[in-house]
Amino acid sequence: SSELTQDPAVSVALGQTVRITCQGDSLRSYYASWYQQKPGQAPVLVIYGKNNRPSGIPDRFSGSSSGNTASLTITGAQAEDEADYYCNSRDSSGNHPFGGGTKLTVL
Amino acid sequence: QLQLQESGPGLVKPSETLSLTCTVSGGSISSSSYYWGWIRQPPGKGLEWIGSIYYSGSTYYNPSLKSRVTISVDTSKNQFSLKLSSVTAADTAVYYCARLEVVPAAMPFDYWGQGTLVTVSS
Repeated sequence: SSELTQDPAVSVALGQTVRITCQGDSLRSYYASWYQQKPGQAPVLVIYGKNNRPSGIPDRFSGSSSGNTASLTITGAQAEDEADYYCNSRDSSGNHPFGGGTKLTVL
Repeated sequence: QLQLQESGPGLVKPSETLSLTCTVSGGSISSSSYYWGWIRQPPGKGLEWIGSIYYSGSTYYNPSLKSRVTISVDTSKNQFSLKLSSVTAADTAVYYCARLEVVPAAMPFDYWGQGTLVTVSS
């Protein structure tokens, strides 16, 4: 199956650490990519590959993977990190499914 | 700086074909390091991958949309296009084009267009 599963919503206190997870069989073979989307804007890539950040993405964002689960960790969450986060991967058939998204609230 | 720009009608009638074009500037669509893709997002909902294409014309489609989707590339114009046939209201969404980078064991969408809203209504 190429489906990716995310928790619909997660909250974190300002300055604390939060982990957003993504589960799927394809993650046993391929790394997840993570995207941040704020209202009315296009998604922005924040983590890809083993744990790579595109230029301009703060180092408080990091990624990891174990078995069929990929995780996005924000260490020291800021108010501007409040957004929807989507995971995405590829599978052996060349498909690129997205997870359902996680709404992050920074309290 | 790479830029992608979607263009096409914002309103399509039910049962007709939705057609969008993505124009790539600041880089070549013929690079061997990238694929090019379409993603959509219905209002208030999540992202859905529609399909991807390589500059050679090789395509991959979402199995749930495969029977209605055609993605093509025009390297001379640095553009790629989406056609979605027999549309219904369920196809109303913001449609994004994006670049996929080929990296080991991953293919992230690293550049995105701003998106264009397509409404299916009579």
